[in-house]
Amino acid sequence: AQSVTQLDSQVPVFEEAPVELRCNYSSSVSVYLFWYVQYPNQGLQLLLKYLSGSTLVKGINGFEAEFNKSQTSFHLRKPSVHISDTAEYFCAVSPSNTGGFKTIFGAGTRLFVKA
Amino acid sequence: DVKVTQSSRYLVKRTGEKVFLECVQDMDHENMFWYRQDPGLGLRLIYFSYDVKMKEKGDIPEGYSVSREKKERFSLILESASTNQTSMYLCASTPRDRGYGYTFGSGTRLTVV
Repeated sequence: AQSVTQLDSQVPVFEEAPVELRCNYSSSVSVYLFWYVQYPNQGLQLLLKYLSGSTLVKGINGFEAEFNKSQTSFHLRKPSVHISDTAEYFCAVSPSNTGGFKTIFGAGTRLFVKA
Repeated sequence: DVKVTQSSRYLVKRTGEKVFLECVQDMDHENMFWYRQDPGLGLRLIYFSYDVKMKEKGDIPEGYSVSREKKERFSLILESASTNQTSMYLCASTPRDRGYGYTFGSGTRLTVV
């Protein structure tokens, strides 16, 4: 079974400042890792994903995430945020080769960018 | 542009009504999912389907049923709506490729009065 913990429920940050949204996971099988973004009153949109290979993955809107196997973490970062990045962000884990297709989502981190 | 379409963005129903939420995807994906999203609780899986006419219970199936008669359409049914089913409902689909990720619809905000 897999589980996902997003360590911060809310992250306020000033515009143009860097931000890190933290995600830890646990799993007994190998997994794929994802970050999704949800803007107000919309569905979730895939931001980036880690499948294999380089541990640093880049996504849309200038976001990137680093997979750390020893720490079982997949933290999301952006060097300079914009007001438009205000949204809720979800970390998710899915088994890579067994155990069905269900994806487990974290509880979400609400990023609030202030002017 | 590929997409998942949910038939209604906002819906208001009365307690006891039978409610149908429709979801259609145009990507030929095998897997489809229904989640509900509530503040502080994140996304909770209600039902999912790996193939036509196939369904499996998720984490909170009570009070819901589903139908998948065609590959592109996955319907969520509230047999007798109750006020505690007021929520945002999200449909998603994904192909057999486990690394693809989910494509979500825009959601249906259901209010049961």
